[in-house]
Amino acid sequence: EVQLVESGGGLVKPGGSLRLSCAASGFTFSNAWMSWVRQAPGKGLEWAGRIKRKIDGGTTDYAAPVKGRFTISRDDSKNTLYLEMNSLKTEDTAVYYCTTIVGGSYHHFDNWGQGALVTVSS
Amino acid sequence: DIQMTQSPSSLSASVGDRVTITCRASQGISSYLNWYQQKPGKAPKLLIYTASSLQSGVPSRFSGSGSGTDFTLTISSLQPEDFATYYCQQSYSTPPYTFGQGTKLEIK
Repeated sequence: EVQLVESGGGLVKPGGSLRLSCAASGFTFSNAWMSWVRQAPGKGLEWAGRIKRKIDGGTTDYAAPVKGRFTISRDDSKNTLYLEMNSLKTEDTAVYYCTTIVGGSYHHFDNWGQGALVTVSS
Repeated sequence: DIQMTQSPSSLSASVGDRVTITCRASQGISSYLNWYQQKPGKAPKLLIYTASSLQSGVPSRFSGSGSGTDFTLTISSLQPEDFATYYCQQSYSTPPYTFGQGTKLEIK
């Protein structure tokens, strides 16, 4: 059974930093493209960024609102995905979900974690 | 970026009703369209991928159709557990992946 378990959420002041982790199990993590999707309170879903598997270059892509402030990385030896968030703004307050990306060129997010709440407030 | 627009934003229906939710892309996206269901306090769940393929384990009362710019999600006979918010999402031109604003399906 695929499991994605996020951790590291919490309350942080504007301008601060936080790192989320996503522990993966039940599938070959090193073969997976992974993504972070966020959801502000009472709002819709917003894609934040993705990381490809190493054999596809291991490169990252980010949504415009987080580019330059957020960094996605992975440790395939630990089956763990990370989201490093710097220069946090109040508008970054959201539940952050890690997801797998599957489907060849027809990408879809087929497995989701339970989410980690990040609150940015003074 | 490709914009995704869902209609309606909210919908009231009764158990047993047939319900259709529409998603329109700002440009043609072939069949690169997925649908998700989200219940309050829970993570989204993939229902339909590539416009019309049913995800494993999803009941057959859910179906998707469309290509190009216009897509529909249909629930043939609403069950109590189907009351939730539904999102479409395109993967034709990425990054970024973009979602519709959501359709909240409520009990009449």
